[in-house]
Amino acid sequence: AQRVTQPEKLLSVFKGAPVELKCNYSYSGSPELFWYVQYSRQRLQLLLRHISRESIKGFTADLNKGETSFHLKKPFAQEEDSAMYYCALSKAAGNKLTFGGGTRVLVKP
Amino acid sequence: ETGVTQSPTHLIKTRGQQVTLRCSSQSGHNTVSWYQQALGQGPQFIFQYYREEENGRGNFPPRFSGLQFPNYSSELNVNALELDDSALYLCASSGGGLDTEAFFGQGTRLTVV
Repeated sequence: AQRVTQPEKLLSVFKGAPVELKCNYSYSGSPELFWYVQYSRQRLQLLLRHISRESIKGFTADLNKGETSFHLKKPFAQEEDSAMYYCALSKAAGNKLTFGGGTRVLVKP
Repeated sequence: ETGVTQSPTHLIKTRGQQVTLRCSSQSGHNTVSWYQQALGQGPQFIFQYYREEENGRGNFPPRFSGLQFPNYSSELNVNALELDDSALYLCASSGGGLDTEAFFGQGTRLTVV
């Protein structure tokens, strides 16, 4: 069975500092990996996915199949990045997502 | 174009009762997935409906059941409610096929007392 692990429940950083959210997964196959974000009082929304290989709001994530990781990074955190972040895996097209437990990011001024 | 809407937003039920949650998918989307999110945890996949047929199910007992209608809206039914069923229930719709984004509703907060 697939599993997604986010080891940090809370990350607190100062504005302008780098931030990295860790995500490890277990799945025997070629999964699709995603990062979803939930800002305060908003619904869960897609931030980025590995197949797009794009940077969204300054965030990037690289899929490392050897280490089975999909860490999310941003070189200079902004206060508006404060939110709940979820790493998710889908084993095939069709969006049956397996989520990690989430990491709360708090960016302090 | 309207987004995914869920109703009701909150409700309280008594243990042993039955509940029905509703979801209207985003315009043009034919796939609806339901998730349960307990407090402090990530969402857990319950099941998915594609063109009115169940298309995959997570590790939930049969008392969790669903329906999808011809307009692709969906219902989640839970029978014999237990205290542990208290959670936020999320609905997500997508267009189906390969490489499609899931759009989430705002959720229904169910409290079982």
